[in-house]
Formats: sequence, structure tokens, C-alpha cells
Amino acid sequence: EAQVTQNPRYLITVTGKKLTVTCSQNMNHEYMSWYRQDPGLGLRQIYYSMNVEVTDKGDVPEGYKVSRKEKRNFPLILESPSPNQTSLYFCASSLFPGLGSGELFFGEGSRLTVL
Amino acid sequence: AQKVTQAQTEISVVEKEDVTLDCVYETRDTTYYLFWYKQPPSGELVFLIRRNSFDEQNEISGRYSWNFQKSTSSFNFTITASQVVDSAVYFCALISGVDTGRRALTFGSGTRLQVQP
Repeated sequence: EAQVTQNPRYLITVTGKKLTVTCSQNMNHEYMSWYRQDPGLGLRQIYYSMNVEVTDKGDVPEGYKVSRKEKRNFPLILESPSPNQTSLYFCASSLFPGLGSGELFFGEGSRLTVL
Repeated sequence: AQKVTQAQTEISVVEKEDVTLDCVYETRDTTYYLFWYKQPPSGELVFLIRRNSFDEQNEISGRYSWNFQKSTSSFNFTITASQVVDSAVYFCALISGVDTGRRALTFGSGTRLQVQP
């Protein structure tokens, strides 16, 4: 089954404790990205990756890091989480090039709470 | 700058009623894509439709239909004979111009639809 898998789905942590949210897709997609969802704001892009070893900032990258060492994986790293990073996070992937060639496939979301 | 406005924060209907979710967008680009996603209570995002700016044909898929009007910059979504399973948050989204390359969708703030039995 084609899917984007995120882990963990739920996490409560404390300020300053490094954490990683993993994302893996099994569709051989070149493109992957991370979004965060906050009430009243919809979803906003954090980082994206066009292919292996190619990453770039989205609209709200502060406080986050990413890496793309393998095509299927795109982990989101919070080096020193703060309460304003409490949010619902989505990983997404799609074929490349051309948005018309396919839609964005989203993972099931990871709800993160930073105390 | 791009913007997507979903003015209806929450809508409540009774089962079998028809309901329309409004979406108004802003972009200076002539080439763009519009999307609708559904987010059920379980939290995942489910793709519903993608429409490009050169295709103004309305689309119907079962009980769902979409009305794309460039003249009013709107891409409204209608559910006919609503069902309890339609209860969810619905997001309208836009991608255009330089954002197309980075797949940076601009999302509206969402409309929460509650369908009462």
C-alpha cells in the first residue's frame, strides 16, 4: 500500500530535549516536505526536499532541521524544542517534476506537545 | 502574495442537507493549482481534488461537486445529501508561481463541518 509513515504519532516532551520525528514514504517520490498545522492558520511549510541531499527552507523553518540522506526518509529534527513548537506536524511527498503529475500525499500527522 | 480565505469557520447541518463550503483565493500568477483536502477527526489529510487554473469546468464526484469561478476567484465545494461521515475539517489550498517548485501550498484556515444525525 502506498503511504507516508510518520513516527511518533503523539509525543509529549519538555523544553530543550532534542527530538526527531521520522517520515518515510514507499512510493519512490523525489519530493518530500514538512508542514505544521496550527489553529486558525491552516498548514504552513517548514522545510522541503527536491531529492536526496537537496533541502531548502519553507515558510517557517526557525527551530527545525532536516536531512535527506535516502530517498525514502526525511526526518524532522527539533534540536531544542520550545513550547511554541507545540503543533500538529505533517510530512508529505509527491512525484517530480511538475505539480500536475501528482498530488501531495500526506502522512497521518504527528501531534507534538512541548511543556 | 498568495492567500486563501475560508470565511466559514464552522458549519453545522442535519444529515441529508446540502452544504457549500466557500473558498476565495488571491494570486497574481496566471498558472496555479487549487486543492481541497479533508481532515477527519482521526487527523490525517485526505486529498479530494486538484484543479488547474486553465480548467474551469465544474467537477462532480458522487455527492461532491466543485464550482471553480476565475471571475470571482472562488473554488467552492458542495456536498449533496450530507452524511455523518462527512463531518471533518475541510481545507482549501493554492499553489502558484515560484511556490510551485517547492510545492508550498498556501492553505486556508479550514472549515469545520459537523453533520448531525
